[in-house]
Amino acid sequence: EPEVTQTPSHQVTQMGQEVILRCVPISNHLYFYWYRQILGQKVEFLVSFYNNEISEKSEIFDDQFSVERPDGSNFTLKIRSTKLEDSAMYFCASIQTRENTIYFGEGSWLTVV
Amino acid sequence: AQTVTQSQPEMSVQEAETVTLSCTYDTSESDYYLFWYKQPPSRQMILVIRQEAYKQQNATENRFSVNFQKAAKSFSLKISDSQLGDAAMYFCAYSYTQGGSEKLVFGKGTKLTVNP
Repeated sequence: EPEVTQTPSHQVTQMGQEVILRCVPISNHLYFYWYRQILGQKVEFLVSFYNNEISEKSEIFDDQFSVERPDGSNFTLKIRSTKLEDSAMYFCASIQTRENTIYFGEGSWLTVV
Repeated sequence: AQTVTQSQPEMSVQEAETVTLSCTYDTSESDYYLFWYKQPPSRQMILVIRQEAYKQQNATENRFSVNFQKAAKSFSLKISDSQLGDAAMYFCAYSYTQGGSEKLVFGKGTKLTVNP
């Protein structure tokens, strides 16, 4: 079964450092997402991406965050200057329009110290 | 605003017994999808079951089934013959189209414990 893959599975970074989380969505999917889950809390929408541009973003997704799809397969989330409160599990997800089921990757656990 | 409410923060069940997890949602949309996701300690989000709002028939997937009450905006998950591997956080989620893309809204989750 096709799957969304994410790297790294876990990253520890110093506050203020830049972090890039990588995702390879399912190949025939058209919409890509990043969600975030702070420990013990619910999963929250960050951003959706379609046709090489952001289609929607939440208020969490401020100027410190950016996304891009540099080579047609990878989908990256960059946090420019990490803060302690950015510590969370970050999930990449993708969807093929007709199926309307969002498939998640295994998540990237980010710890900011 | 679309919201999803899971009123049971924690539930427990004996192995081989049946348990039902509750979920209600609020929407003005007529066309949407509902999901249950399982999150084991590994924290991976695993799709358990999916329901299209336009379908009256309740979705089933092996030991997992839903009771979808569209008028009441209720979407409960029943797990039959519970197994130790079913222990996890379960998230109810609602999917709708906004700005040309699908968006998922999650509930806060129910932690299920399965007792041997």
